[in-house]
Amino acid sequence: SQKIEQNSEALNIQEGKTATLTCNYTNYSPAYLQWYRQDPGRGPVFLLLIRENEKEKRKERLKVTFDTTLKQSLFHITASQPADSATYLCALGKRSSNTGKLIFGQGTTLQVKP
Amino acid sequence: GAGVSQSPSNKVTEKGKDVELRCDPISGHTALYWYRQSLGQGLEFLIYFQGNSAPDKSGLPSDRFSAERTGGSVSTLTIQRTQQEDSAVYLCASSSLRGNEQFFGPGTRLTVL
Repeated sequence: SQKIEQNSEALNIQEGKTATLTCNYTNYSPAYLQWYRQDPGRGPVFLLLIRENEKEKRKERLKVTFDTTLKQSLFHITASQPADSATYLCALGKRSSNTGKLIFGQGTTLQVKP
Repeated sequence: GAGVSQSPSNKVTEKGKDVELRCDPISGHTALYWYRQSLGQGLEFLIYFQGNSAPDKSGLPSDRFSAERTGGSVSTLTIQRTQQEDSAVYLCASSSLRGNEQFFGPGTRLTVL
């Protein structure tokens, strides 16, 4: 069955360091992958989208890579700040004519300490 | 408002009762999604609407769950004969096109006693 795995344990890092979050998937061939941020009690907020033919995408302090051979995406936050503390979700989208649904991982909680 | 809105924000019901959850997507967005999130879990896809096309209902967990989208805008998710395992946060999202970023509402927290 389709499976998406994100770091189940919380990631604790010091302010100013680079946070790296991992998303691995099996039994799936996504056309694109998205990363979302979720704060407690709120809905997810979109951060980045990367397509299957792209290796890397950047947006300000964020960088995402997508390796369809390894079936893995890495999400980096450089110069991390306490305000970056949240849960980060990866989500896969399928190449399909009749659905736009996303399959989400369970998320990784990031805690940036000042 | 400019974002996705959902109502009610919280709903407490007794086992066996029916509930209706409402979602107002961003104006002009043709795609609308329902997900649910149980405590400490990721989002679980329920149903997807795209314009006038037949919805993708593949994520609905049982025939007690149904959803409709009237006039291509507002959507209602109905859960009949609620069970305790239905307790979760139900999230609605919309997007301008399939595959684009999804804009989420704040969710409805459903508690079934």
